[in-house]
Amino acid sequence: NAGVTQTPKFQVLKTGQSMTLQCAQDMNHEYMSWYRQDPGMGLRLIHYSVGAGITDQGEVPNGYNVSRSTTEDFPLRLLSAAPSQTSVYFCASSLGGGGNTEAFFGQGTRLTVV
Amino acid sequence: AQSVSQHNHHVILSEAASLELGCNYSYGGTVNLFWYVQYPGQHLQLLLKYFSGDPLVKGIKGFEAEFIKSKFSFNLRKPSVQWSDTAEYFCAVNARSGGYQKVTFGTGTKLQVIP
Repeated sequence: NAGVTQTPKFQVLKTGQSMTLQCAQDMNHEYMSWYRQDPGMGLRLIHYSVGAGITDQGEVPNGYNVSRSTTEDFPLRLLSAAPSQTSVYFCASSLGGGGNTEAFFGQGTRLTVV
Repeated sequence: AQSVSQHNHHVILSEAASLELGCNYSYGGTVNLFWYVQYPGQHLQLLLKYFSGDPLVKGIKGFEAEFIKSKFSFNLRKPSVQWSDTAEYFCAVNARSGGYQKVTFGTGTKLQVIP
């Protein structure tokens, strides 16, 4: 059971570079989301998707893009990396749009922007 | 907008001490409540959840939480902590917002258990 798989686990970028964080789940979950975790701030929602072809912004979407072409994959793109985007990023998925389902998290990607 | 408050940012306990971590949320409608645990260097894992029914829910590893609707609270408890409980604990609320279900996390509580 792979669950939610995130790649890479670690990444160092230079300011201005772009990159894509990959997230894939094999549980046929409709709902997928991206969070960033910063000390003292908990997890903040960047973008989420309620199904293939449908995405929406969370509370901190600026500087990030997402797409959901398939149920399985939900990549997060950093268009032009900035030091403020240094963080740990978690992808999560859950069964559906109803509230009574738990979220399953990937192992996280630790991103450093220098 | 829904929000979640965890008032204890850092808790230090000795082994066998009792634990209670506070969680309060603000949302007027129906909510689903979760506690997640993050062990050092690992991802978040579900500890327990409340959807409906008995407001006292039991989770893994001896943890339990009580939903008190009138106080908008969902506090996490454990009668006797172990060194292996050292981790960060996140309370989360799942509620409908803007037509979709949205999960909001608290800022987390770091628990350090001293042998």
